[in-house]
Amino acid sequence: AQKVTQAQTEISVVEKEDVTLDCVYETRDTTYYLFWYKQPPSGELVFLIRRNSFDEQNEISGRYSWNFQKSTSSFNFTITASQVVDSAVYFCALSDTRGGGKLIFGQGTELSVKP
Amino acid sequence: ETGVTQSPTHLIKTRGQQVTLRCSSQSGHNTVSWYQQALGQGPQFIFQYYREEENGRGNFPPRFSGLQFPNYSSELNVNALELDDSALYLCASSPPPGTDYNEQFFGPGTRLTVL
Repeated sequence: AQKVTQAQTEISVVEKEDVTLDCVYETRDTTYYLFWYKQPPSGELVFLIRRNSFDEQNEISGRYSWNFQKSTSSFNFTITASQVVDSAVYFCALSDTRGGGKLIFGQGTELSVKP
Repeated sequence: ETGVTQSPTHLIKTRGQQVTLRCSSQSGHNTVSWYQQALGQGPQFIFQYYREEENGRGNFPPRFSGLQFPNYSSELNVNALELDDSALYLCASSPPPGTDYNEQFFGPGTRLTVL
């Protein structure tokens, strides 16, 4: 069975702190995709990144970086120098490509960045 | 490029009633997926439509049904509403299942309240 676990329910930091959101996944597939989405208070899920199971290179995009480690089935997300606008719920998700792309989401981590 | 749109934004119904939610996919996308997000939870996959046919279904009862139209827009119908159906219903569009680029882009959601 496929499963995504985000053990951190809520995180609170002060602006300019670095913060890492953890994601652990379970799947028996050898080919799969991992995603991160951001959900601001408005409710719309905003796509941040996709990573496939064959690409373990870490990625950096501005203040965002992602660390994918197959050995520990983890796909962690780090925000450097956090800002108040980063406050949102962040979801990690897993896709079974054979299933047509349905997304299996974790429970989400609510990040609060205080000024 | 037009994003995913959903209507209505908010809806209040009573137990036992029926509801129809609507979604227009992003330009160039022919696959639509529906998700239910209960308060404080991650989105749960309901079903996906591709070429006007259901292409995968999550663990939801038959009273949840859908349609996809030739212009790729979609409807989600829920019969015999129950209190637990109260949730944010998210629609997402994506390219055809199995393609390498398979990010799903989400609409703003419909907030359904069942009294």
